[in-house]
Amino acid sequence: QQQVKQSPQSLIVQKGGIPIINCAYENTAFDYFPWYQQFPGKGPALLIAIRPDVSEKKEGRFTISFNKSAKQFSLHIMDSQPGDSATYFCAARTNAGGTSYGKLTFGQGTILTVHP
Amino acid sequence: NAGVMQNPRHLVRRRGQEARLRCSPMKGHSHVYWYRQLPEEGLKFMVYLQKENIIDESGMPKERFSAEFPKEGPSILRIQQVVRGDSAAYFCASSSSSGYTFGSGTRLTVV
Repeated sequence: QQQVKQSPQSLIVQKGGIPIINCAYENTAFDYFPWYQQFPGKGPALLIAIRPDVSEKKEGRFTISFNKSAKQFSLHIMDSQPGDSATYFCAARTNAGGTSYGKLTFGQGTILTVHP
Repeated sequence: NAGVMQNPRHLVRRRGQEARLRCSPMKGHSHVYWYRQLPEEGLKFMVYLQKENIIDESGMPKERFSAEFPKEGPSILRIQQVVRGDSAAYFCASSSSSGYTFGSGTRLTVV
């Protein structure tokens, strides 16, 4: 019930392409869904996040699409650049009364490579 | 604001020794979380602490692992009698009511 499943495990695109990473969850108590970007030797950094009352959120070149009935959400990276090459993790957290408190359940990660 | 500070960045221990990992949360953050990341895997939650209290330790192994967040000083993740399977990156995060930030991690290698 606490799992978050992420796919694909790895992804290679050309510069300018639109990689899409997908996640599915089981626990309907999750109500906050962030995406994290991690570079080698660094900690995860928050990229963008969404709550289930909206179906899409866009920040710059990054867009989250959210399908509450299917319990799925995805990350789209528009006009991808070589500097976007990193590992991406989806995550989920249960209701914390609108605060940022609480443990995160992570997906397994997607290694993205963007070729010049 | 220096962010979440973890030290050491790299730690090498022989089997059977103790490992102590430290985490200083961001200024203004009173909640700390520890996660473990095995090679090519996602982060797994271990423990959630508030000052002097353990809020959730559902991800902590039952033996050899302990964590504390004293009133003064950093949070400590302690691993006793380390084994090779403990080799991993250990990340600390801290949060306030409106932010959640990860440190750069401690990479533990057990030889």
